[in-house]
Amino acid sequence: KAGVTQTPRYLIKTRGQQVTLSCSPISGHRSVSWYQQTPGQGLQFLFEYFSETQRNKGNFPGRFSGRQFSNSRSEMNVSTLELGDSALYLCASSLTSSGSTYEQYFGPGTRLTVT
Amino acid sequence: EDQVTQSPEALRLQEGESSSLNCSYTVSGLRGLFWYRQDPGKGPEFLFTLYSAGEEKEKERLKATLTKKESFLHITAPKPEDSATYLCAVQAWRSGGSNYKLTFGKGTLLTVNP
Repeated sequence: KAGVTQTPRYLIKTRGQQVTLSCSPISGHRSVSWYQQTPGQGLQFLFEYFSETQRNKGNFPGRFSGRQFSNSRSEMNVSTLELGDSALYLCASSLTSSGSTYEQYFGPGTRLTVT
Repeated sequence: EDQVTQSPEALRLQEGESSSLNCSYTVSGLRGLFWYRQDPGKGPEFLFTLYSAGEEKEKERLKATLTKKESFLHITAPKPEDSATYLCAVQAWRSGGSNYKLTFGKGTLLTVNP
């Protein structure tokens, strides 16, 4: 069974630009969560999508947004990039449905560097 | 707000030297506690889920335990390939709707020397 895939794996962008990252969950998983990982803050929750609806959002500015498609694939977008947005962006998929707790399986991440 | 604190930040062991990693948590109601392993440049790899105090789970040289305030990851006779960052995360119950986010600790960097 294929795992979570994320594209691209590496990105270098300039301050002020915008970026779109993509995540394909494990087949059959309908929940996709996004996390930002930095050396100082560790792993921080960005948002979670289930059945094309955002169910939960972390404490990040509105420059960070996402969406989910009918095939459960998800994208996240960061507009007006800042140097502090440099991080590893991780996507995790889960079988989660209402009232149940399931493990989240992570992709390899997209390493974003903002210069 | 949910909080997770892991200790120590770094741990260096000799091959075969058993030890434990600690994860202390504060949540309004624990839905699940998760352990992950992360190798450099990779995403976290799922290890265990624990749901209630007293629960234990084992996988090869690893055993995770849970109390009402903390979880331990015991590593028995570690090998160099066990070297990684071990992350603990909690998922909490929320009233009035769903909340499936994980709150992570900052991890313990484990190095096992041959």
